[in-house]
Amino acid sequence: QVQLVQSGAEVKKPGASVKVSCKASGYLFTDYYFHWVRQAPGQGLEWMGWINPHSGGTDYAQKFQGRVTMTRDTSIGTTYMELSSLRYDDTAVYYCAREKTGRPFGYWGQGTLVTVPS
Amino acid sequence: SYELTQPPSVSVSPGQTARITCSGDALPKQYAYWFQQKPGQAPVEVIYKDTQRPSGIPERFSGSSSGTTVTLTISGVQAEDEADYYCQSVDTTDTYYVFGTGTKVTVL
Repeated sequence: QVQLVQSGAEVKKPGASVKVSCKASGYLFTDYYFHWVRQAPGQGLEWMGWINPHSGGTDYAQKFQGRVTMTRDTSIGTTYMELSSLRYDDTAVYYCAREKTGRPFGYWGQGTLVTVPS
Repeated sequence: SYELTQPPSVSVSPGQTARITCSGDALPKQYAYWFQQKPGQAPVEVIYKDTQRPSGIPERFSGSSSGTTVTLTISGVQAEDEADYYCQSVDTTDTYYVFGTGTKVTVL
């Protein structure tokens, strides 16, 4: 069955970068797009962007353009989200999600907590 | 930027019907999806493409669409349905994805 397993929690200083991984299994990695979504403590869901694992093509929400980079390594079935110039308000749980036959967020990873202390 | 607006909270007694609305200008042209999220857990899709229910989701969950508003209905609410619910869609350019503001459903 489809599984998305994300990397563990991170604590980063303001101004630093964080790279979160999402390892997929149970299907052909390049067949479906990935999205990244974040959720600040007590807040709602916020879409960050997507990556096409076949071509490597990406599109990012305007809010994150210039600060986020999504990549993939097809040899190990893993996609990555790197966020730079971290600020206190980047503290959030970051989720990867995979398309499911025309449904953009059909499968979700377990989430990765990134903490940027003030 | 495009926004989807939901009521912050809905309270309902067990066995009653909960209705959660989601309003957005592009909804007449774009599909809506609904997600349930319980504390400490990842979201789970409960409705896709306005009205379709994924396998494994109870029949008491249903979706409808009318103009710029989509609605998630939970009929015969159970205690386990207490959660946050989010709608999701894309803007008119079919480029940017957006989630609604979220609705907390409380089962009294």
